[in-house]
Amino acid sequence: DQQVKQNSPSLSVQEGRISILNCDYTNSMFDYFLWYKKYPAEGPTFLISISSIKDKNEDGRFTVFLNKSAKHLSLHIVPSQPGDSAVYFCAAIPGTASKLTFGTGTRLQVTL
Amino acid sequence: DARVTQTPRHKVTEMGQEVTMRCQPILGHNTVFWYRQTMMQGLELLAYFRNRAPLDDSGMPKDRFSAEMPDATLATLKIQPSEPRDSAVYFCASGPGALDNQPQHFGDGTRLSIL
Repeated sequence: DQQVKQNSPSLSVQEGRISILNCDYTNSMFDYFLWYKKYPAEGPTFLISISSIKDKNEDGRFTVFLNKSAKHLSLHIVPSQPGDSAVYFCAAIPGTASKLTFGTGTRLQVTL
Repeated sequence: DARVTQTPRHKVTEMGQEVTMRCQPILGHNTVFWYRQTMMQGLELLAYFRNRAPLDDSGMPKDRFSAEMPDATLATLKIQPSEPRDSAVYFCASGPGALDNQPQHFGDGTRLSIL
């Protein structure tokens, strides 16, 4: 049972355009969400997070939006750069427990 | 830059053999996590420790997998006996504090192939 879903396995975006990566979750106990980026042959690295008390968090070119009623979050990258090409994992955690539940990832390819 | 170190980076062995993967967490981090990455399931949490004590290993097949922290600088994940379905990339991650939602820092993984 996949509690965190990333329904798009891959996404291709032109350099300079906006990349939008989506994530849906089913567990209403999740109240903290994170995005990780992963390059080949490396471990995931933390990118940005958002608490359920917010609906938006911004860090430079990266913005995460949270829609609690829809149980949906998205990561926006503007402008997209070739170095952003990687696999992006959405992850969620319930406030009182410790398990970080990951989605299956979306491979982003930023083309020139 | 402090890093989580995992060894070996690659391991190829025959089914039935014992496999031991090692992890050195970032100094000062008191939570350690083991994950497995597969194509179908993405990143699955196998087990995690806080202050060297196991807190949750419900994601781990108990009959063949075991995870330990002999000391604060070493975490191990063992598979005995190994099976072809165990082939995956295994990641170790460590976390900096008592709050579980603080971002975890990952090692570069052990790519395991069981023939």
